[in-house]
Parts: sequence; structure tokens; C-alpha cells
Amino acid sequence: DQQVKQNSPSLSVQEGRISILNCDYTNSMFDYFLWYKKYPAEGPTFLISISSIKDKNEDGRFTVFLNKSAKHLSLHIVPSQPGDSAVYFCAASAKTGANNLFFGTGTRLTVIP
Amino acid sequence: DVKVTQSSRYLVKRTGEKVFLECVQDMDHENMFWYRQDPGLGLRLIYFSYDVKMKEKGDIPEGYSVSREKKERFSLILESASTNQTSMYLCASSFGGLNEAFFGQGTRLTVV
Repeated sequence: DQQVKQNSPSLSVQEGRISILNCDYTNSMFDYFLWYKKYPAEGPTFLISISSIKDKNEDGRFTVFLNKSAKHLSLHIVPSQPGDSAVYFCAASAKTGANNLFFGTGTRLTVIP
Repeated sequence: DVKVTQSSRYLVKRTGEKVFLECVQDMDHENMFWYRQDPGLGLRLIYFSYDVKMKEKGDIPEGYSVSREKKERFSLILESASTNQTSMYLCASSFGGLNEAFFGQGTRLTVV
């Protein structure tokens, strides 16, 4: 059963507008969450993370929000740029256990110039 | 910069062949992982290792084995390749604890 879910397989946004990518999880033991960006024929690259003790983390144009009660996180990109077009994966990890990352199925973001 | 290097970008193998995918990291990371990526399924964990000679099964270990004889190297072995193992294979490494994993560039394996 998928413990990390990204229910939107794709998203299209105009350049300059905000992109919001969503992620839900089911395992209440998860306490560290990450977003990765992936271009075709390349490995995923780490984008931003958030620990469960926070509800927001910001890095330049990228902000991740965490709602623990809803088991939901989101990635905001503002302003969106054409170079942001990629597949975005949400991932989660638990402090206990083997520290492996559980990934969602990804959302393909297309930023239209 | 962390570097995770996978030995091949593209591989084509025949059904029944034994296939070795190699991965090397240069940051002295304790953890190493093998994932496969398939459309609509995201990244699924095949095996991981948290120390030399230690290995743990992930979500989809069937048909695969791994080897970690040295800290920097983690090998994925397809004992007898089948067409349903055609996929993008991604190696990753991380420090222990809650830390991001760093990925290699991926190996696109096609089994014919």
C-alpha cells in the first residue's frame, strides 16, 4: 500500500504564477519530509525538506508546508519558471527504523512560457 | 559535492542473463539504496544497506540481490533478467539518521 501519495499526476502553470504541488501520507511515524525534482534521464535531485517539528520551510522560490493533523504537505513554487518543468517527488522518512525514504508517484509540472 | 556514480547510463540485456548494476559514492555515507522508477508507480525501493555487508529488503526485492563489500560500493544483481525488469534503476546514498539521499544519474535497463 502506498504510504506517500501524490494524487495529481500532472500540473500546468503559467510562467510567473504560483505552482502548488500536494502530497498526502498515511504513516503517522513519518517525521521528515522531502521534495525531489527529476528531469528526464537524470537522477532525482534534492530540493527542500521539512522536519515534523516545523510547519513551514522556505528556500528562495520554494516553500514547503506541513499539516501534521491532516497528514498533508505541499510545495509552493513562486514565481514559476520554465526551468521548473520536471517531475516532482514527495518523500517521507521515519526517525525510527532504517531511514529509508518512501516516495510518492510524482507530479509532472509544466510551466508554460 | 556529493557524487553518486552508476556504472552505466543505458544497458540492453537478454532474458535470462545475469546483470550487474554498480554504484559508487564518495561521501562516506552509511546508507545506500537501490530504487526502480516506473511510470505511474514512482520510486520503489528494491534493497538498501546501512553498513558494509548488511542488507535489507525493500518493497520489491523479488528477482534481485545486492552486495556491499565496501562502504562506497553497492551492487544490484538481477539473477536472471526478465522483461518485467525493464526499468530505470536509481542508486542513492545518505548519512544515517534523518538526512536527504543523493541519487546517481540512473541506469535505463532494457531486457529483450
